[in-house]
Amino acid sequence: EVQLVESGGGLVQPGGSLRLSCGASGFTFSSHWMSWVRQAPGKGLEWVANIKEDGSETYYVDSVEGRFTISRDNPKNSLYLQMNSLRVEDTALYYCARDHPVATAGHDCWGQGTLVTVSS
Amino acid sequence: DIQMTQSPSSLSASVGDRVTITCRASQSISTYLNWYQQQPGKAPKLLIYTASSLQSGVPSRFSGSGSGTDFFLTISSLQPEDFATYYCQRSHSKYTFGQGTKLEIK
Repeated sequence: EVQLVESGGGLVQPGGSLRLSCGASGFTFSSHWMSWVRQAPGKGLEWVANIKEDGSETYYVDSVEGRFTISRDNPKNSLYLQMNSLRVEDTALYYCARDHPVATAGHDCWGQGTLVTVSS
Repeated sequence: DIQMTQSPSSLSASVGDRVTITCRASQSISTYLNWYQQQPGKAPKLLIYTASSLQSGVPSRFSGSGSGTDFFLTISSLQPEDFATYYCQRSHSKYTFGQGTKLEIK
């Protein structure tokens, strides 16, 4: 069974840092692009970043460019999101998602999310 | 940046109804359009990819159509479990979601 489990969320002050992790199982992790998607409380979905199978390419939404870094460790079947210079507006449930094997076909598997709260 | 606009923002319907949700892109995105369903408190679920391809395991009452700037998600006969929020997502270059359509029971 495909499974994605996020961890690392919590309460952090504005300007602080946090590192999210996502453990993958049940599929060949190194064969898939992976993404982070977030959802602010009571709001819609926002794609945050994604990373190519081998980690050689990464893309970000404009609002986190230069502050967040997506990375992966294929031998450990793990995806990461390093979040620096956090802002109140980064408060959200952060989902780890597997990109569909068909290019541009979206995200076919999702974790249950980890909550990040940025507040003083 | 390409903007994605869904209509309506909310919709009331009854079990057995046929409903259509519209997603409009601010410029042409060919068929780089996906649809998701999100139940309250749950992660989103991929329904349709590349505008009209049904994701494995998704009931055939769900269908997608459109290309260019106008896209449609149709549910042919609503079931109780279909009352949820639906999002479109453009997937060319970067990903952008629509604001969502909440489908409620009438």
